[in-house]
Amino acid sequence: DAGVTQSPTHLIKTRGQQVTLRCSPKSGHDTVSWYQQALGQGPQFIFQYYEEEERQRGNFPDRFSGHQFPNYSSELNVNALLLGDSALYLCASSLRLNTDTQYFGPGTRLTVL
Amino acid sequence: RKEVEQDPGPFNVPEGATVAFNCTYSNSASQSFFWYRQDCRKEPKLLMSVYSSGNEDGRFTAQLNRASQYISLLIRDSKLSDSATYLCVVNRGVRGGGNKLTFGTGTQLKVEL
Repeated sequence: DAGVTQSPTHLIKTRGQQVTLRCSPKSGHDTVSWYQQALGQGPQFIFQYYEEEERQRGNFPDRFSGHQFPNYSSELNVNALLLGDSALYLCASSLRLNTDTQYFGPGTRLTVL
Repeated sequence: RKEVEQDPGPFNVPEGATVAFNCTYSNSASQSFFWYRQDCRKEPKLLMSVYSSGNEDGRFTAQLNRASQYISLLIRDSKLSDSATYLCVVNRGVRGGGNKLTFGTGTQLKVEL
């Protein structure tokens, strides 16, 4: 039973660049959420995708966008990177939109120089 | 005021000790509650859900007090392997469906010989 997978594991970018992070949900799950975790902080909710639509969004600027594909996998895109975007980006999946138990992937560590 | 507040610690305890963590949340409409465990540089993993009636899983006991908007986690007979950061998590549920998990900053536990 495959768990949540994310790629890449690590990424280094420079200010102003754009980045795309990828996530495959746990087998059988159809809902994907993305979180940003800065050092020493708890994860912060970015957005949630279900049926290929963004269903909920946290307090993040429009530079953060996403997509969900028909196979339920998802991408997180961040444009015009800032130093403050350096963080661990976590993807979590759940079974159906209204199920509150979420399972996290190992994350992508993004460093912006 | 933060939506979920925790004492960041660290809590340094000897092996075999009993340790308790507390967490408060500000939104009375919160619907479900969890404790997640996060090891250094790893993803959060669900430790247990928290119910008003209290629930126990081996050495771990969680309690919810809705009137005081307070959640607790008790760890008995601490093991070295319990050393981690414990994240208090609250789910508000949102209009239109979906779930938005809000995390505390986490409480760091170090169990020592």
